[in-house]
Amino acid sequence: NAGVMQNPRHLVRRRGQEARLRCSPMKGHSHVYWYRQLPEEGLKFMVYLQKENIIDESGMPKERFSAEFPKEGPSILRIQQVVRGDSAAYFCASSPETTNYGYTFGSGTRLTVV
Amino acid sequence: QQQVKQSPQSLIVQKGGISIINCAYENTAFDYFPWYQQFPGKGPALLIAIRPDVSEKKEGRFTISFNKSAKQFSLHIMDSQPGDSATYFCAARRETSYDKVIFGPGTSLSVIP
Repeated sequence: NAGVMQNPRHLVRRRGQEARLRCSPMKGHSHVYWYRQLPEEGLKFMVYLQKENIIDESGMPKERFSAEFPKEGPSILRIQQVVRGDSAAYFCASSPETTNYGYTFGSGTRLTVV
Repeated sequence: QQQVKQSPQSLIVQKGGISIINCAYENTAFDYFPWYQQFPGKGPALLIAIRPDVSEKKEGRFTISFNKSAKQFSLHIMDSQPGDSATYFCAARRETSYDKVIFGPGTSLSVIP
């Protein structure tokens, strides 16, 4: 049973380009959460999704950031017109339908904007 | 109210010693308190968790102590080893409503031989 799969592991984008980060949850998990971790900082919640639904996007910047979790395929975190301040590690976590478990995190995508 | 506070920011402990990390929260609706361990370049991994109906939970060398009235909880690592060197995050969640996990800012632990 593969864990939470994130790709790519490393992504370099020039300022103004688009970044697409993908997350495939663990088998049987229907809840996906995205977090951002800046260097030497903690994990900041961005968005919580279930299949085809955004449940909580209170941590998403109002502009340039969007997320989706389609019926088929991975969850996508999309950052348009990236700026240097977007450079960070982006982690995806998933959890099953029941509430008796914590998250399982992926290994993250490290985005560098040059 | 959503914040989880954590101290110290960094901690150096001798091999065999006890590492203690403290956390506090404000939101009394939180009902699940996990601890995550993160090694450089890796994602956080669930280490141990507690619910407020118990005051202590022990798994191997790791113990969580929970004080519901003070809204504080702590992680104790007994017989600390160099392999325990990592960043530790306390966290809190309203589990019953599938709510997001709120993380503390983290503690960087170094265990020296």
